Amino acid sequence: GQQLNQSPQSMFIQEGEDVSMNCTSSSIFNTWLWYKQDPGEGPVLLIALYKAGELTSNGRLTAQFGITRKDSFLNISASIPSDVGIYFCAGRSNTGKLIFGQGTTLQVKP
Amino acid sequence: DGGITQSPKYLFRKEGQNVTLSCEQNLNHDAMYWYRQDPGQGLRLIYYSQIVNDFQKGDIAEGYSVSREKKESFPLTVTSAQKNPTAFYLCASSIENSNTEAFFGQGTRLTVV
Repeated sequence: GQQLNQSPQSMFIQEGEDVSMNCTSSSIFNTWLWYKQDPGEGPVLLIALYKAGELTSNGRLTAQFGITRKDSFLNISASIPSDVGIYFCAGRSNTGKLIFGQGTTLQVKP
Repeated sequence: DGGITQSPKYLFRKEGQNVTLSCEQNLNHDAMYWYRQDPGQGLRLIYYSQIVNDFQKGDIAEGYSVSREKKESFPLTVTSAQKNPTAFYLCASSIENSNTEAFFGQGTRLTVV
């Protein structure tokens, strides 16, 4: 099936640093979504992107829908300890399927 | 409050038994999804439904079955044919199947012993 390649797989950073992660695909997607998952919980939606080239912010988070519609990135500025978790990208294809990346595990050192 | 509810949170079953996981939403969403998550891995799509009485296989449907008799409900049955059923199962829903965000339940952790 369709696959998303998400990188990096994990990050260990110092509090206050900026973070960047991205997803790429060989397929075109109509929508890109970014989620955060805490241990043992369901993912929570952070940002939704609907148009190629769209750049959207949510507080310290910024995400962009790549112009080719095959990639997206998420940036977190000035990280804090509560940013710890697993971040997932997801792309929705024209068939309606929602495909997820493998996740980026973020650890923040106070 | 509106939302998507999975139950139970934890479920234990003996090997060889079928088990059904519940997913209910009161968001009036047309589309619903089931994903499986294994430790350190992403979410893999099991089944999805775009409308009542219709559903499609995802990437790992073997050993699973679903039904969509009501808009609010999308139960997942893990059958004895599923060779490695122990996992974290997540249900999601969205307004429709295209160009809309999806929202998740809190998950069910199934352990087969």
